[in-house]
Amino acid sequence: DGGITQSPKYLFRKEGQNVTLSCEQNLNHDAMYWYRQDPGQGLRLIYYSQIVNDFQKGDIAEGYSVSREKKESFPLTVTSAQKNPTAFYLCASDRTAGGNTEAFFGQGTRLTVV
Amino acid sequence: DQQVKQNSPSLSVQEGRISILNCDYTNSMFDYFLWYKKYPAEGPTFLISISSIKDKNEDGRFTVFLNKSAKHLSLHIVPSQPGDSAVYFCAARANTGNQFYFGTGTSLTVIP
Repeated sequence: DGGITQSPKYLFRKEGQNVTLSCEQNLNHDAMYWYRQDPGQGLRLIYYSQIVNDFQKGDIAEGYSVSREKKESFPLTVTSAQKNPTAFYLCASDRTAGGNTEAFFGQGTRLTVV
Repeated sequence: DQQVKQNSPSLSVQEGRISILNCDYTNSMFDYFLWYKKYPAEGPTFLISISSIKDKNEDGRFTVFLNKSAKHLSLHIVPSQPGDSAVYFCAARANTGNQFYFGTGTSLTVIP
């Protein structure tokens, strides 16, 4: 079955450490996205990528980094520069950025900084 | 500035009755809209979508209505079932854009 896989589901990190969240899709989608959700807020875009080896900052990119070396994979690194990293992180993909195409979401990773 | 708004944080409905969830948007360039539902500690799952060339889209118990002049969309669930209890998000995107904009969600509780 095609879909998006995020791992791990729960992640604990010590303050000051970098951590990488995995996102893999086998849908042959060109566009991939990372969103963050905080309590009482909608999803907010961190980074997105329309094609391999290319990505753009979203609304809240500070303290995060991404790479898109392969079409299937779009890992997100939460760096020590991110001041409030505890949140629920969602990865999404769709065929092309823009246009009337359904987006698919992973199950999410809940990151807790201790 | 929140471009997509869901002004009701919660809604309770009796099983078998209709649930109506509302969403307003401000950007007239939005032309594609989605509804997602989310259970606790899980990612959102797609429910139904509508493009701006339509004013209604139906899929089983779920119907989405779009009123472009009012910049308003609504999700109707008929009949509501206890398994529908979840948080529902609306999202919008412009065809020239690269991201979805999400509302803050409405928590629906269907009472058996």
